[in-house]
Amino acid sequence: EAQVTQNPRYLITVTGKKLTVTCSQNMNHEYMSWYRQDPGLGLRQIYYSMNVEVTDKGDVPEGYKVSRKEKRNFPLILESPSPNQTSLYFCASKGGTSGGIGELFFGEGSRLTVL
Amino acid sequence: AQKVTQAQTEISVVEKEDVTLDCVYETRDTTYYLFWYKQPPSGELVFLIRRNSFDEQNEISGRYSWNFQKSTSSFNFTITASQVVDSAVYFCALGPSTSGTYKYIFGTGTRLKVLA
Repeated sequence: EAQVTQNPRYLITVTGKKLTVTCSQNMNHEYMSWYRQDPGLGLRQIYYSMNVEVTDKGDVPEGYKVSRKEKRNFPLILESPSPNQTSLYFCASKGGTSGGIGELFFGEGSRLTVL
Repeated sequence: AQKVTQAQTEISVVEKEDVTLDCVYETRDTTYYLFWYKQPPSGELVFLIRRNSFDEQNEISGRYSWNFQKSTSSFNFTITASQVVDSAVYFCALGPSTSGTYKYIFGTGTRLKVLA
């Protein structure tokens, strides 16, 4: 089954404790991205990657890091989480070439709470 | 700058009523794409439709229809004879552009409540 898988789905952590949210897709998609969803703000893009070793900032990259060492994986790293990073996070991938236009396929979401 | 505005924060209708969700976008690109996604209470994001800027034909899929009007920069979504299962948050999105960025810009969403 074609899917985007995120882990963990739920996480409660404390300020400053590094964490990684993993994202993996099995559709051989080149494009992957991370979003956060907050009430009243919709979905905002954090980072995106057009291919292996190619990443770029979205609209809200502060406090986050990403890496794309393999095509299928695109982890989101919070080096020193803060309470304002409490949010619902979505990973997404897109088929076609890097410049191709297509719909995003989303993971199920990861709800992160930073105390 | 690119922007998507969904001015309706929340809409409540009674089952079987028709409802239209508004989406207004801003872009300087001549070629662009618009999308609608549904987020049911379970939380996942479900793709509904993609439309490119060269295709202004309205589209109908069952009870769903979309009205794309380039002249008013709108891409509205109508549900005919709404059902309780239509209760969800609906997001309109723009992008990516042809200017080289690969960002998808989402609106803030409209929460639709369909009452039995």
